[in-house]
Amino acid sequence: EAGVTQFPSHSVIEKGQTVTLRCDPISGHDNLYWYRRVMGKEIKFLLHFVKESKQDESGMPNNRFLAERTGGTYSTLKVQPAELEDSGVYFCASSQYLRGNTIYFGEGSWLTVV
Amino acid sequence: GQQLNQSPQSMFIQEGEDVSMNCTSSSIFNTWLWYKQDPGEGPVLLIALYKAGELTSNGRLTAQFGITRKDSFLNISASIPSDVGIYFCAGQSGETSGSRLTFGEGTQLTVNP
Repeated sequence: EAGVTQFPSHSVIEKGQTVTLRCDPISGHDNLYWYRRVMGKEIKFLLHFVKESKQDESGMPNNRFLAERTGGTYSTLKVQPAELEDSGVYFCASSQYLRGNTIYFGEGSWLTVV
Repeated sequence: GQQLNQSPQSMFIQEGEDVSMNCTSSSIFNTWLWYKQDPGEGPVLLIALYKAGELTSNGRLTAQFGITRKDSFLNISASIPSDVGIYFCAGQSGETSGSRLTFGEGTQLTVNP
């Protein structure tokens, strides 16, 4: 069974540009999450989808960040325009829709804004 | 918001030594989780704890869910070089499926052969 896959694995962009990160969750997982880790800090929650609906987006830093999950399958996270403080690792995770089920993380998309 | 204090931030040990790390919180969590992140990889679940007072082992790893539900520790016995990585604690407070995880800042473990 394929794990959570993320693309791109690494991205270097200039301040002001746009970047779109993609996540393919494990097949059959209704829960999909985005998290971010800024260098040396804790992994912070961004938002949570259940199927195509945003269940909790309270962790999104500001309106430069837009997440979508059309059709309840893969998800995208767009940052527009990117700022220097957006640099970090963006993790996607997924789990089945039952309490106690393991949350599986992808390898992360490493974003550097210069 | 909720915050987890994880310590120590980093540890440098010799192969064969035992390791202990812990997390504390001012908030109650219903679930405590311990993850490990290898370089270039995403966090991988090591141990999940669902009940206050629960003590769970996974090979050389042992973790406990504190009685107050505000803390947890992870012990690694007889460390080996492949134990190197970042260890994160995480708490989950919701009762419903899929509620968010709150992470500690991580413990960077280095094991010298």
